[in-house]
Amino acid sequence: DADVTQTPRNRITKTGKRIMLECSQTKGHDRMYWYRQDPGLGLRLIYYSFDVKDINKGEISDGYSVSRQAQAKFSLSLESAIPNQTALYFCATSDPRTEDQPQHFGDGTRLSIL
Amino acid sequence: QKEVEQNSGPLSVPEGAIASLNCTYSDRGSQSFFWYRQYSGKSPELIMFIYSNGDKEDGRFTAQLNKASQYVSLLIRDSQPSDSATYLCAVSRWGFNKFYFGSGTKLNVKP
Repeated sequence: DADVTQTPRNRITKTGKRIMLECSQTKGHDRMYWYRQDPGLGLRLIYYSFDVKDINKGEISDGYSVSRQAQAKFSLSLESAIPNQTALYFCATSDPRTEDQPQHFGDGTRLSIL
Repeated sequence: QKEVEQNSGPLSVPEGAIASLNCTYSDRGSQSFFWYRQYSGKSPELIMFIYSNGDKEDGRFTAQLNKASQYVSLLIRDSQPSDSATYLCAVSRWGFNKFYFGSGTKLNVKP
């Protein structure tokens, strides 16, 4: 089983719909992140959470919200989806106890908004 | 100015050659540097990290860091077609735990 699991893997929806992307992890890491990836733009940080009570905006948080339901779960919501939110979305985790603190990624959610 | 800059490529090398991938960063306070490999449609996979000036070797991969020049590179020796992927450079500052990713360099290794 994957250490960082994202659901759904693929989603096609219409403009204006509310969408939730879910992420769960079994790595025991406190820190979780949501990124989106667009061709030529690399990975851009949407939101991050250092623990259940700590939520922070990233560089492109407008139009998105998150919920950290538990240490192992971090959800991303699009309240009213628009076509330019079509992208590949990744959840990641990291462990602050390790000096190098690399990020570990889920398999991604490919989201298409028509 | 972007935090992390990479040439988008594609970089094409023949099988067996050395592939050299480069990355520059803007924050002089950056302390950890990472290379991720990403196959098309897949998630980034950590290859190496480095935080001291100089070279760090792991198998066919060598990461090189020059903090004075704010430059980090990845060398892949004896390149294989399976190395064909996009390579992402990432930097972070300890205590902040925010990563900044470059947009990636696409590598093509031709048989």
